[in-house]
Amino acid sequence: GQNIDQPTEMTATEGAIVQINCTYQTSGFNGLFWYQQHAGEAPTFLSYNVLDGLEEKGRFSSFLSRSKGYSYLLLKELQMKDSASYLCAVVGANDYKLSFGAGTTVTVRA
Amino acid sequence: DTAVSQTPKYLVTQMGNDKSIKCEQNLGHDTMYWYKQDSKKFLKIMFSYNNKELIINETVPNRFSPKSPDKAHLNLHINSLELGDSAVYFCASSQGTSGEETQYFGPGTRLLVL
Repeated sequence: GQNIDQPTEMTATEGAIVQINCTYQTSGFNGLFWYQQHAGEAPTFLSYNVLDGLEEKGRFSSFLSRSKGYSYLLLKELQMKDSASYLCAVVGANDYKLSFGAGTTVTVRA
Repeated sequence: DTAVSQTPKYLVTQMGNDKSIKCEQNLGHDTMYWYKQDSKKFLKIMFSYNNKELIINETVPNRFSPKSPDKAHLNLHINSLELGDSAVYFCASSQGTSGEETQYFGPGTRLLVL
């Protein structure tokens, strides 16, 4: 089975940095996704990590440590439009399914 | 052009009714999915089809029956609706089946069973 944990909520100020952690215990591992979901909308792709290390993409970066079963999503220079839920999702090696965490709701305040 | 579209966007119905949700993708992808997102925001896979063939079938009541007439369409029919079926249902598509490909989600269908 898959067990994916991430904090429920985080609050930060506009212009600040927020780090959303995700830990996982899965039966096999074939990569980890981060998706962004604004309230009432569809999840949209942010990043994919399969090798250890940091992937940077503009204001957003994602890090993976396979040995620790740990990832984080780093959001820099926060903007109001970054207020959303951020979903960590793991690809199982045996079933190729995406298993999602419950999501972290980030609120950006002025 | 909308990449993954679903109809209807909202669906309010009585317990015991039968309803269908339709999904279409114009991305040329081979694989399509149905997910259920409950009130706690957990997004759970229900079904997946690759080129009209069922490849993932989670532990879902058999009141739920997916149908894929072609690889661009995946519909979901639900019989004898129950209160617990109330959720947002998302359709998604991806190029392959390895799980490593990005999945593109439709706008969701908000189902409320009264």
